[in-house]
Amino acid sequence: EPEVTQTPSHQVTQMGQEVILRCVPISNHLYFYWYRQILGQKVEFLVSFYNNEISEKSEIFDDQFSVERPDGSNFTLKIRSTKLEDSAMYFCASSADAVGGQDEAFFGQGTRLTVV
Amino acid sequence: AQSVTQLGSHVSVSEGALVLLRCNYSSSVPPYLFWYVQYPNQGLQLLLKYTSAATLVKGINGFEAEFKKSETSFHLTKPSAHMSDAAEYFCAVSGSRGDQKLVFGTGTRLLVSP
Repeated sequence: EPEVTQTPSHQVTQMGQEVILRCVPISNHLYFYWYRQILGQKVEFLVSFYNNEISEKSEIFDDQFSVERPDGSNFTLKIRSTKLEDSAMYFCASSADAVGGQDEAFFGQGTRLTVV
Repeated sequence: AQSVTQLGSHVSVSEGALVLLRCNYSSSVPPYLFWYVQYPNQGLQLLLKYTSAATLVKGINGFEAEFKKSETSFHLTKPSAHMSDAAEYFCAVSGSRGDQKLVFGTGTRLLVSP
């Protein structure tokens, strides 16, 4: 069964450092997403990506964040200068169509980012 | 804008008992509603979804949910709990077709005792 894969599963970084979280979406999917879950809080939408550009982003997704699809398979989330409050589980997801349609979003296992 | 509220951060049931996880939604447009499950150290897996067809939706692993517009609810049920059902369950909502984000609830952890 096709799945979304994320690497690494856990990343520890020092405050102020840049971090890149990597995701391989399902191959025939067209929409890509990043969500995050701060410990004990709800899963929050960060950004959606379609046709090689950001299609929607939340207030959380400020200038410190960027996304990229550098090749035909990877989808990355970069945090330029990490803060303690960026510590969270980050989920990548993909869907064949927009989630408001008939298609579901498939989620990866997440990357736990710890900023120290 | 859409939102969901999940009542009860933890629900405990005995094996074989009815499972009822509550979700109420708020949406300015006809909603699409989803239940996701997260097993330990795994990602979010779709259990079922409501997309304006039948109001009673059947999902995987014996779960089902009923969309009740009058109550703005989408509660998740399973007639008989199994130990393997122990997990975190998330209700989520998106807007009408073309909406590109899911808005999640805070989650309910289901505990199943023998």
